[in-house]
Amino acid sequence: AQRVTQPEKLLSVFKGAPVELKCNYSYSGSPELFWYVQYSRQRLQLLLRHISRESIKGFTADLNKGETSFHLKKPFAQEEDSAMYYCALIRGSQGNLIFGKGTKLSVKP
Amino acid sequence: NAGVTQTPKFRVLKTGQSMTLLCAQDMNHEYMYWYRQDPGMGLRLIHYSVGEGTTAKGEVPDGYNVSRLKKQNFLLGLESAAPSQTSVYFCASSYVGGPNNEQFFGPGTRLTVL
Repeated sequence: AQRVTQPEKLLSVFKGAPVELKCNYSYSGSPELFWYVQYSRQRLQLLLRHISRESIKGFTADLNKGETSFHLKKPFAQEEDSAMYYCALIRGSQGNLIFGKGTKLSVKP
Repeated sequence: NAGVTQTPKFRVLKTGQSMTLLCAQDMNHEYMYWYRQDPGMGLRLIHYSVGEGTTAKGEVPDGYNVSRLKKQNFLLGLESAAPSQTSVYFCASSYVGGPNNEQFFGPGTRLTVL
């Protein structure tokens, strides 16, 4: 079954520390993965997508097919990074997303 | 552009009542989606539409119906609300599906069923 697992409900780090939000997936085929973010009192929005291999707001994510992971990383966390982060996997040609349960990142001053 | 809007923002229903949630988008997107978000569960797809006049079931469709009579609108109906449908409902839209798909989300509707 296709599934996205985010093992941490809450991740708390201090400002300037590295952060890694874990995402593991289960998918038979070539996965297309995304990270979405929801800041406090804002809408859920796309942060980055695997296919673009981009760095957004200092965040990067590398697809590791051997470990079936798509962890989100940032070398130096900022307070404004505090938000809810969702890893998502595309299912089917119609682009339906399967979301993980989310990880709340709290960056302390 | 307003993007994706949802009406209403909040609603309290009694068990057995019906209601319709309205989603509207002004980006000329073909695809539209309804999700529900429950604590500790993430977002789960209820129904979706790949174009005007089409709808399809998602992961958790039971107890809901949808219609897409106009391209810009996607309606989610609850015919007989149940407490298990207490949730935050999000609508989203995208221009296309597939790996280049970026879904744009509405602000959400918080529904409580007593």
